[in-house]
Amino acid sequence: DIQMTQSPSSVSASVGDRVTITCRASQGISSWLAWYQQKPGKAPKLLIYAASSLQSGVPSRFSGSGSGTDFTLTISSLQPEDFATYYCQQANSFPLTFGQGTRLEIK
Amino acid sequence: QVQLVQSGAEVKKPGASVKVSCKVSGYTLTELSMHWVRQAPGKGLEWMGGFDPEDGETIYAQKFQGRVTMTEDTSTDTAYMELSSLRSEDTAVYYCATVVVPAATILDYWGQGTLVTVSS
Repeated sequence: DIQMTQSPSSVSASVGDRVTITCRASQGISSWLAWYQQKPGKAPKLLIYAASSLQSGVPSRFSGSGSGTDFTLTISSLQPEDFATYYCQQANSFPLTFGQGTRLEIK
Repeated sequence: QVQLVQSGAEVKKPGASVKVSCKVSGYTLTELSMHWVRQAPGKGLEWMGGFDPEDGETIYAQKFQGRVTMTEDTSTDTAYMELSSLRSEDTAVYYCATVVVPAATILDYWGQGTLVTVSS
């Protein structure tokens, strides 16, 4: 199975800050990576697929990059509604696997 | 637009089975690759299994092999996930999640989740 490791596990930031979350795969997955946002008590929401493609309706302040084993999710200017937990997921092969999550908290 | 509506919360005793349903609207089940993901309280997301349209088969995570069965009723566009031999560690929110084929590994649409509590 492909292991996905996110860092940091949690981060505190302020509205307007730029935040970057990283995700590393245990083996190369090309660009087969997705990012999800989850708010408390809600289902995850797809933000980015194919490492850098923005899902329809997702604000342009979200961006993704990377290929192979190293990936990043960047939020260019944090808004109050962005405080949530973020997960990466490899979409290269079954079994699908997720990172452990990064909790983005208000400073 | 796909909408997924799941069945309500369940409380089960250890050793019992649970069957969670996921009603699809907006598309038919045959146009979708359906998956199930669970989330234990305060924990991350765990993929349990899903449909691989390339092979036409349902693939299960090894951890759940022999205990989980995922089925579909195309006459009602409803997917089901049954988990047997429940233990306390199976207490979690169970989500159905899907994507329009031929995509199969990006989870584009999610149900609202079903809380399954296993307690004696």
